[in-house]
Amino acid sequence: DTEVTQTPKHLVMGMTNKKSLKCEQHMGHRAMYWYKQKAKKPPELMFVYSYEKLSINESVPSRFSPECPNSSLLNLHLHALQPEDSALYLCASSHSVERGYTFGSGTRLTVV
Amino acid sequence: SQELEQSPQSLIVQEGKNLTINCTSSKTLYGLYWYKQKYGEGLIFLMMLQKGGEEKSHEKITAKLDEKKQQSSLHITASQPSHAGIYLCGAILLWGTSYGKLTFGQGTILTVHP
Repeated sequence: DTEVTQTPKHLVMGMTNKKSLKCEQHMGHRAMYWYKQKAKKPPELMFVYSYEKLSINESVPSRFSPECPNSSLLNLHLHALQPEDSALYLCASSHSVERGYTFGSGTRLTVV
Repeated sequence: SQELEQSPQSLIVQEGKNLTINCTSSKTLYGLYWYKQKYGEGLIFLMMLQKGGEEKSHEKITAKLDEKKQQSSLHITASQPSHAGIYLCGAILLWGTSYGKLTFGQGTILTVHP
């Protein structure tokens, strides 16, 4: 298995809703990442998990709450989001510099 | 200021023409990656460069990393409509014990007219 799987592919949520994005990989990668990508902009790093521990939080608002329950799974819990949080959320995993990063196909989030 | 400068921001070429996209870093790179993205979709890995002077090719796409490891170029030979998309350079500017902080350039939107 050489893929990063993200679910759901599309999500529409209200500003008072609570939802979660899910990311899964079975490549044995010990680092997993959440990126946010707005239209016509490059992906921006949000969080990095290494060996299931949060290693980097790029000053992301607390309405985004990451979780890494095990080495294969990464979640992003969403609560009280704003319309400006609408974006493509990408998950990635990596093994080493040489082997690079593998990205999922993303979740298109719309906040109404 | 942007840590990775990518140019041009957009490129329109006729099918069969050659083209080059550049990526310049303000810092020494641990690794330089090239990705392709279709609008609204995930990133497709093209190739990775790590050593100064390194050059890699895949089909009609060639990428180079200069000796000082601060600039890379992506060259497409005899472009085809299937090459159209957004090309992103990404660089690892920080590497921890098992993870890296991958930062992207602004991207180049490539349009290829048949």
